[in-house]
Amino acid sequence: DTGVSQDPRHKITKRGQNVTFRCDPISEHNRLYWYRQTLGQGPEFLTYFQNEAQLEKSRLLSDRFSAERPKGSFSTLEIQRTEQGDSAMYLCASSIDGLAVGETQYFGPGTRLLVL
Amino acid sequence: QKEVEQDPGPLSVPEGAIVSLNCTYSNSAFQYFMWYRQYSRKGPELLMYTYSSGNKEDGRFTAQVDKSSKYISLFIRDSQPSDSATYLCAMSLNNDMRFGAGTRLTVKP
Repeated sequence: DTGVSQDPRHKITKRGQNVTFRCDPISEHNRLYWYRQTLGQGPEFLTYFQNEAQLEKSRLLSDRFSAERPKGSFSTLEIQRTEQGDSAMYLCASSIDGLAVGETQYFGPGTRLLVL
Repeated sequence: QKEVEQDPGPLSVPEGAIVSLNCTYSNSAFQYFMWYRQYSRKGPELLMYTYSSGNKEDGRFTAQVDKSSKYISLFIRDSQPSDSATYLCAMSLNNDMRFGAGTRLTVKP
């Protein structure tokens, strides 16, 4: 296990369709994060998991978005009824739970979504 | 005012130049400071990580944090064309991480 992996790397869909992305974190990392990044901007936090528990959600995460991490390992991010404004790079990151040493997050390659 | 401000550039320098990248922030509670490098259409890659004021050096890279001024910097010595990328500053408090918009750097041979 050499890093965070994401699948698919690219997704083109039509407006109104549902899409699902998968993230596999670094194996010993128990925290998993989802971010969205648009062109010319830094990543924006969406949500994060501590093991299988979803502990925080950004106000950016509308009710069309849902994330799961059922066994505390991989995670999925689903977008229902996609809109053109959902077009972005969706990044996953993971870290070890270590408040004493701070948050060092390692990112995956991202899933680039284009909604037509 | 954004919590983290970063000049988006673009910044273009000749090979071998010293590059200085900077961010300012408004939340004095931020505890940890990071620099990420992001190549086009790739995920961010962690370059440097610090948690106190002062300098931290790693090869050609030096990260500097001045908490009193709420200002962080990344210096790249002897810049190479392979350093051409977008550099993102990031800072966190517990589980809350905020990123700058990124500075696009081009190092010309």
